[in-house]
Amino acid sequence: EAQVTQNPRYLITVTGKKLTVTCSQNMNHEYMSWYRQDPGLGLRQIYYSMNVEVTDKGDVPEGYKVSRKEKRNFPLILESPSPNQTSLYFCASSLGLPNTGELFFGEGSRLTVL
Amino acid sequence: EDQVTQSPEALRLQEGESSSLNCSYTVSGLRGLFWYRQDPGKGPEFLFTLYSAGEEKEKERLKATLTKKESFLHITAPKPEDSATYLCATNQAGTALIFGKGTTLSVSS
Repeated sequence: EAQVTQNPRYLITVTGKKLTVTCSQNMNHEYMSWYRQDPGLGLRQIYYSMNVEVTDKGDVPEGYKVSRKEKRNFPLILESPSPNQTSLYFCASSLGLPNTGELFFGEGSRLTVL
Repeated sequence: EDQVTQSPEALRLQEGESSSLNCSYTVSGLRGLFWYRQDPGKGPEFLFTLYSAGEEKEKERLKATLTKKESFLHITAPKPEDSATYLCATNQAGTALIFGKGTTLSVSS
């Protein structure tokens, strides 16, 4: 089954404790992206990757890091989480974003930073 | 700055009561207008892509249309299972989708 898998789905952590949210896709997609979704603000892009070893900032990259060492994986790293990073995070992938706009989203990871 | 605005924010319908959702956009060089559906606690799910004014796409009770400044998602004779948040988005320079804040649709039987 074609899917984007995120882990963990739910996480409560404390300020400053480094964490990683993993994302894996099994569709051989080149494009992957991370979004955060907040009430009243909608979905905002954090980082994206057009292919292996190619990553770039989205609209709200501050406080986040990513890496793309393999085509299928695109982890999101919070080096020193702060309460304003409490949010619902989505990983997404696409065969060819510029052409179709069809993103496949994961189920989401709800993060709470105390 | 590219923007996508959706209205209304929320819409309550009776089963069978048809209506439309609006998505207006200000994007230089539109590369596509996309509609997604999001159920509570789930990731958005792709519905349609529209590329040029006058284009229409249909799927079951949903029909999406596009003009030069806005897109409409028409819902004909909705059922309770159509309840969800509907998001529209445009393609920003091929690197990201810019999403509107969504319209939350509730259909009661």
